[in-house]
Amino acid sequence: AQSVAQPEDQVNVAEGNPLTVKCTYSVSGNPYLFWYVQYPNRGLQFLLKYITGDNLVKGSYGFEAEFNKSQTSFHLKKPSALVSDSALYFCAVRGISGSARQLTFGSGTQLTVLP
Amino acid sequence: SQTIHQWPATLVQPVGSPLSLECTVEGTSNPNLYWYRQAAGRGLQLLFYSVGIGQISSEVPQNLSASRPQDRQFILSSKKLLLSDSGFYLCAWSVRGDRLSNQPQHFGDGTRLSIL
Repeated sequence: AQSVAQPEDQVNVAEGNPLTVKCTYSVSGNPYLFWYVQYPNRGLQFLLKYITGDNLVKGSYGFEAEFNKSQTSFHLKKPSALVSDSALYFCAVRGISGSARQLTFGSGTQLTVLP
Repeated sequence: SQTIHQWPATLVQPVGSPLSLECTVEGTSNPNLYWYRQAAGRGLQLLFYSVGIGQISSEVPQNLSASRPQDRQFILSSKKLLLSDSGFYLCAWSVRGDRLSNQPQHFGDGTRLSIL
Protein backbone atom coordinates (compact mmCIF):
# COMPACT_ATOMS: atom_id res chain seq x y z
CA ALA A 1 0.00 0.00 0.00
CA GLN A 2 1.21 3.49 -0.71
CA SER A 3 1.22 6.32 1.80
CA VAL A 4 2.17 9.96 2.23
CA ALA A 5 3.26 11.71 5.39
CA GLN A 6 3.23 15.45 5.96
CA PRO A 7 4.84 15.66 9.39
CA GLU A 8 3.92 19.28 10.09
CA ASP A 9 0.30 20.31 10.56
CA GLN A 10 1.31 23.96 10.63
CA VAL A 11 4.24 25.93 9.20
CA ASN A 12 4.75 29.61 9.94
CA VAL A 13 7.23 31.74 8.04
CA ALA A 14 7.89 35.46 7.73
CA GLU A 15 7.20 37.16 4.42
CA GLY A 16 10.33 37.25 2.26
CA ASN A 17 11.89 34.24 3.97
CA PRO A 18 12.30 30.89 2.26
CA LEU A 19 9.68 28.27 3.00
CA THR A 20 9.72 24.49 3.07
CA VAL A 21 6.74 22.16 3.42
CA LYS A 22 7.81 18.59 4.05
CA CYS A 23 6.51 15.40 2.47
CA THR A 24 7.70 11.81 2.62
CA TYR A 25 6.16 8.91 0.77
CA SER A 26 6.05 5.14 0.60
CA VAL A 27 5.23 3.33 -2.63
CA SER A 28 6.25 0.22 -4.53
CA GLY A 29 8.46 1.07 -7.46
CA ASN A 30 8.96 4.52 -8.87
CA PRO A 31 6.51 7.19 -7.71
CA TYR A 32 4.56 9.91 -9.37
CA LEU A 33 4.47 12.82 -6.89
CA PHE A 34 2.23 15.86 -6.80
CA TRP A 35 1.72 19.04 -4.79
CA TYR A 36 -1.62 20.81 -4.50
CA VAL A 37 -2.69 24.01 -2.76
CA GLN A 38 -6.12 24.73 -1.29
CA TYR A 39 -7.45 28.14 -0.37
CA PRO A 40 -10.42 28.45 2.02
CA ASN A 41 -13.68 27.07 0.64
CA ARG A 42 -12.06 26.22 -2.68
CA GLY A 43 -10.98 23.04 -4.43
CA LEU A 44 -7.40 21.86 -4.68
CA GLN A 45 -5.20 23.50 -7.29
CA PHE A 46 -2.39 21.57 -8.93
CA LEU A 47 1.05 23.13 -8.30
CA LEU A 48 3.63 20.74 -9.70
CA LYS A 49 4.50 17.10 -10.28
CA TYR A 50 7.52 14.82 -10.42
CA ILE A 51 7.43 12.00 -12.95
CA THR A 52 11.04 11.35 -13.91
CA GLY A 53 14.23 13.21 -14.76
CA ASP A 54 15.54 16.28 -12.97
CA ASN A 55 15.07 15.98 -9.22
CA LEU A 56 14.20 19.68 -8.92
CA VAL A 57 10.76 20.38 -10.30
CA LYS A 58 9.47 23.90 -10.89
CA GLY A 59 5.79 24.70 -10.70
CA SER A 60 3.25 27.47 -10.46
CA TYR A 61 3.57 30.69 -8.43
CA GLY A 62 7.33 30.31 -7.95
CA PHE A 63 7.10 27.01 -6.08
CA GLU A 64 9.51 24.16 -6.63
CA ALA A 65 9.97 20.73 -5.11
CA GLU A 66 12.96 18.47 -4.71
CA PHE A 67 12.67 14.75 -5.21
CA ASN A 68 15.04 12.71 -3.06
CA LYS A 69 14.81 9.01 -3.78
CA SER A 70 17.12 7.85 -0.99
CA GLN A 71 15.14 9.79 1.62
CA THR A 72 11.78 9.12 -0.10
CA SER A 73 10.97 12.79 0.20
CA PHE A 74 9.40 15.44 -1.99
CA HIS A 75 9.61 18.71 -0.08
CA LEU A 76 7.92 21.83 -1.43
CA LYS A 77 9.99 25.01 -1.43
CA LYS A 78 9.86 28.65 -2.34
CA PRO A 79 12.80 31.05 -2.07
CA SER A 80 10.76 34.04 -0.87
CA ALA A 81 7.35 33.59 0.74
CA LEU A 82 4.40 35.90 0.13
CA VAL A 83 1.47 36.53 2.45
CA SER A 84 -0.76 35.31 -0.38
CA ASP A 85 0.96 31.90 -0.19
CA SER A 86 -0.90 31.26 3.06
CA ALA A 87 -3.05 28.20 2.37
CA LEU A 88 -3.36 24.46 2.95
CA TYR A 89 -0.86 22.34 1.03
CA PHE A 90 -1.26 18.69 0.10
CA CYS A 91 1.32 16.22 -1.13
CA ALA A 92 0.09 13.19 -3.11
CA VAL A 93 1.64 10.03 -4.54
CA ARG A 94 0.68 7.46 -7.13
CA GLY A 95 2.59 4.29 -7.90
CA ILE A 96 3.78 3.82 -11.47
CA SER A 97 1.48 0.83 -11.88
CA GLY A 98 -1.44 2.52 -10.15
CA SER A 99 -4.95 2.40 -11.48
CA ALA A 100 -7.16 5.42 -11.85
CA ARG A 101 -8.00 5.59 -8.19
CA GLN A 102 -4.64 5.22 -6.54
CA LEU A 103 -3.73 8.82 -5.78
CA THR A 104 -2.99 8.97 -2.07
CA PHE A 105 -3.02 12.36 -0.35
CA GLY A 106 -1.21 13.47 2.77
CA SER A 107 -3.12 15.04 5.64
CA GLY A 108 -2.17 18.57 4.63
CA THR A 109 0.05 21.33 6.03
CA GLN A 110 -1.36 24.75 6.85
CA LEU A 111 1.15 27.38 5.73
CA THR A 112 0.89 30.82 7.29
CA VAL A 113 3.08 33.60 5.96
CA LEU A 114 3.35 36.44 8.44
CA PRO A 115 3.69 40.03 7.19
CA SER B 1 -9.29 24.79 -21.88
CA GLN B 2 -10.83 22.33 -19.48
CA THR B 3 -13.15 23.42 -16.71
CA ILE B 4 -15.00 21.60 -13.96
CA HIS B 5 -18.19 22.82 -12.34
CA GLN B 6 -19.81 21.71 -9.11
CA TRP B 7 -23.11 22.83 -7.67
CA PRO B 8 -24.48 23.88 -5.37
CA ALA B 9 -21.63 25.62 -3.56
CA THR B 10 -23.33 25.22 -0.19
CA LEU B 11 -26.22 23.09 0.96
CA VAL B 12 -28.04 22.70 4.26
CA GLN B 13 -30.17 19.59 4.55
CA PRO B 14 -32.11 17.91 7.37
CA VAL B 15 -31.23 14.42 8.52
CA GLY B 16 -33.07 11.81 6.49
CA SER B 17 -33.51 13.97 3.40
CA PRO B 18 -32.21 12.98 -0.05
CA LEU B 19 -29.11 14.42 -1.70
CA SER B 20 -27.99 15.13 -5.24
CA LEU B 21 -24.72 16.89 -6.02
CA GLU B 22 -23.73 17.42 -9.60
CA CYS B 23 -20.37 17.79 -11.30
CA THR B 24 -19.70 18.46 -14.97
CA VAL B 25 -16.48 18.75 -16.94
CA GLU B 26 -16.02 20.75 -20.12
CA GLY B 27 -13.27 20.81 -22.69
CA THR B 28 -12.18 17.18 -22.50
CA SER B 29 -13.53 13.77 -23.43
CA ASN B 30 -13.50 10.42 -21.65
CA PRO B 31 -12.14 11.74 -18.36
CA ASN B 32 -11.68 9.77 -15.18
CA LEU B 33 -14.02 11.29 -12.60
CA TYR B 34 -13.76 11.26 -8.80
CA TRP B 35 -15.76 12.22 -5.73
CA TYR B 36 -13.87 13.04 -2.53
CA ARG B 37 -15.01 14.10 0.91
CA GLN B 38 -12.87 16.42 3.01
CA ALA B 39 -13.64 16.54 6.71
CA ALA B 40 -12.62 19.43 8.95
CA GLY B 41 -10.60 21.10 6.19
CA ARG B 42 -7.99 18.38 6.11
CA GLY B 43 -7.49 14.94 4.64
CA LEU B 44 -9.26 13.85 1.49
CA GLN B 45 -11.18 10.59 1.40
CA LEU B 46 -11.86 9.10 -2.02
CA LEU B 47 -15.51 8.06 -2.18
CA PHE B 48 -16.06 7.01 -5.81
CA TYR B 49 -14.28 7.01 -9.11
CA SER B 50 -15.40 6.34 -12.66
CA VAL B 51 -13.50 5.44 -15.83
CA GLY B 52 -16.55 5.62 -18.12
CA ILE B 53 -20.30 6.02 -18.46
CA GLY B 54 -22.09 3.75 -16.04
CA GLN B 55 -18.81 2.50 -14.53
CA ILE B 56 -18.58 3.37 -10.84
CA SER B 57 -16.16 2.06 -8.25
CA SER B 58 -16.79 2.63 -4.57
CA GLU B 59 -13.92 3.05 -2.17
CA VAL B 60 -15.73 3.06 1.16
CA PRO B 61 -19.03 1.57 2.38
CA GLN B 62 -21.55 4.29 3.09
CA ASN B 63 -25.05 5.48 2.37
CA LEU B 64 -23.89 7.51 -0.61
CA SER B 65 -23.98 6.45 -4.24
CA ALA B 66 -22.62 7.85 -7.48
CA SER B 67 -23.75 7.76 -11.07
CA ARG B 68 -22.31 8.80 -14.41
CA PRO B 69 -25.19 9.19 -16.84
CA GLN B 70 -23.08 11.06 -19.41
CA ASP B 71 -19.39 11.11 -20.27
CA ARG B 72 -18.70 14.38 -18.49
CA GLN B 73 -21.33 14.30 -15.75
CA PHE B 74 -20.85 12.78 -12.32
CA ILE B 75 -23.56 12.78 -9.66
CA LEU B 76 -23.32 12.05 -5.94
CA SER B 77 -26.54 10.96 -4.28
CA SER B 78 -28.08 9.74 -1.09
CA LYS B 79 -31.59 8.52 -0.31
CA LYS B 80 -31.34 9.45 3.40
CA LEU B 81 -28.66 11.75 4.77
CA LEU B 82 -26.96 11.11 8.10
CA LEU B 83 -25.37 13.67 10.40
CA SER B 84 -22.02 12.09 9.59
CA ASP B 85 -22.45 13.01 5.91
CA SER B 86 -21.61 16.63 6.68
CA GLY B 87 -18.43 17.78 4.98
CA PHE B 88 -16.85 19.38 1.96
CA TYR B 89 -17.41 17.35 -1.20
CA LEU B 90 -14.99 17.70 -4.06
CA CYS B 91 -15.29 16.45 -7.62
CA ALA B 92 -12.17 15.96 -9.73
CA TRP B 93 -11.21 14.78 -13.22
CA SER B 94 -8.07 13.46 -14.83
CA VAL B 95 -7.00 12.26 -18.24
CA ARG B 96 -8.00 8.63 -18.69
CA GLY B 97 -5.57 5.77 -19.16
CA ASP B 98 -3.00 3.90 -17.13
CA ARG B 99 -0.26 5.14 -19.43
CA LEU B 100 -1.22 8.62 -18.41
CA SER B 101 -1.44 7.99 -14.69
CA ASN B 102 1.26 10.60 -14.29
CA GLN B 103 -1.34 13.25 -15.05
CA PRO B 104 -2.71 15.29 -12.14
CA GLN B 105 -6.29 15.42 -10.99
CA HIS B 106 -8.10 18.73 -11.38
CA PHE B 107 -10.64 19.73 -8.77
CA GLY B 108 -13.88 21.66 -8.70
CA ASP B 109 -14.57 24.27 -6.03
CA GLY B 110 -16.55 21.89 -3.88
CA THR B 111 -19.90 21.74 -2.14
CA ARG B 112 -20.10 22.40 1.59
CA LEU B 113 -22.83 20.16 2.95
CA SER B 114 -24.26 20.73 6.42
CA ILE B 115 -26.71 18.25 7.89
CA LEU B 116 -29.05 19.51 10.62
